[in-house]
Amino acid sequence: QSALTQPATVSGSPGQSITISCSGTSSDVGGYNYVSWYQQHPGKAPKLMIYDVSNRPSGVSNRFSGSKSGDTASLTISGLQAEDEADYYCSSYTSSTWVFGGGTKLTVL
Amino acid sequence: QVQLQESGPGLVKPSETLSLTCTVSGDSITHYYWSWIRQPPGKGLECIGYIFYSGSTTYNPSLKSRVTMSVDTSKNQFSLKLSSVTAADTAVYFCARGYSGRKSAGADIWGQGTMITVSS
Repeated sequence: QSALTQPATVSGSPGQSITISCSGTSSDVGGYNYVSWYQQHPGKAPKLMIYDVSNRPSGVSNRFSGSKSGDTASLTISGLQAEDEADYYCSSYTSSTWVFGGGTKLTVL
Repeated sequence: QVQLQESGPGLVKPSETLSLTCTVSGDSITHYYWSWIRQPPGKGLECIGYIFYSGSTTYNPSLKSRVTMSVDTSKNQFSLKLSSVTAADTAVYFCARGYSGRKSAGADIWGQGTMITVSS
């Protein structure tokens, strides 16, 4: 089980949109429509933002959206806000356990 | 409101067994998958494995030889044992609930996490 690949950092200004990519293989991202995305603020537990590639749990802002093409999934955050500054992790279901990406630090300029 | 709380010793000696318990409050432990996830200081997340309320388990292949998970429905708790620990097992350990009763949809409810340090 190898970790999924995410960019280490992304940044954007308030009001802009950013996209975080998550690359895997046919054994994880490409093989299942079960990609999740988490937001983690410093010292806090992760929060589920997207499940099943593009679905939002109740209470998550519709500024967060997910998609997938082949072995790569993406998280898009529109209308960036200061509180969006956090670490973001993608995760994929596999035939064994969940595999996570290395995380992306989002900076809101 | 469902809440999870991890409990266990903060310090474990090398070669010993790490034992953690997660207590679920606000809902029954039944009909859900429950997972353990860890995060070394300054690093990313790693899924250790998950357990269904019935006791069925799935472990991360890289940790499988050292991991045992169990569930106690009478106490609304589930537990993790990780044997032969080394400094590489130093991390914040989270317990979490599988979203919507599935193991494929990620985890929607998390404990606050407990820091475990492996050191003599």
